[in-house]
Amino acid sequence: DIQMTQSPSSVSASVGDRVTITCRASQGISNWLAWYQQKPGKAPKLLIYSASSLQSGVPSRFSGSGSGTDFTLTISSLQPEDFATYYCQQANSFPPTFGQGTRLEI
Amino acid sequence: EVQLVESGGGLVKPGGSLRLSCAASGFTFSNYNMNWVRQTPGKGLEWVSSISSSSSYIYYADSVKGRFTISRDNAKLSLYLQMHSLRAEDTAVYYCARNQVEMESDYWGQGTLVTVSS
Repeated sequence: DIQMTQSPSSVSASVGDRVTITCRASQGISNWLAWYQQKPGKAPKLLIYSASSLQSGVPSRFSGSGSGTDFTLTISSLQPEDFATYYCQQANSFPPTFGQGTRLEI
Repeated sequence: EVQLVESGGGLVKPGGSLRLSCAASGFTFSNYNMNWVRQTPGKGLEWVSSISSSSSYIYYADSVKGRFTISRDNAKLSLYLQMHSLRAEDTAVYYCARNQVEMESDYWGQGTLVTVSS
């Protein structure tokens, strides 16, 4: 199975900050990577697919980059509603695997 | 509006069985591959199983292979997960989710809690 490792596990930031979360795959996955946002008690929400494609309806302050094994999710200017947990997921091969999550807190 | 609504969760004893259902609406269900994904506080998100649009292709996580069965009824717009020989480690919130293009999930249900405990 492909292992997905996110860093950091948690990060503290303020409204207006720029935040970057990284995700590393244990082997190359081309650009088959998705990012999700999850708030407490809610289902995950797809933000980015194919490493850098913004899902419809997602604000443009979210962006993704990377290919191969190293990927990043960047939030350009944090808004209050962005404080949540973020997960990466490889979509290259079965079984699809998730990172352990990055908790973004104030 | 795309909606996925899970049901069937609950408390079950180890070794017991449970059948989860997911009712889909707001999209052409028969055109999409579907997934079950579960979440526990300790292990985060874990993919459980996937089924192709016509049920031709089915995949399972090793942790549930031989115990869980995914199925769908396109006429009833429903996805199912039959779970047997349940273990404490199967305790989780189970989500049904729609595949968008590859294996990313663009719509998720609200989840149904399965608790395996004596």
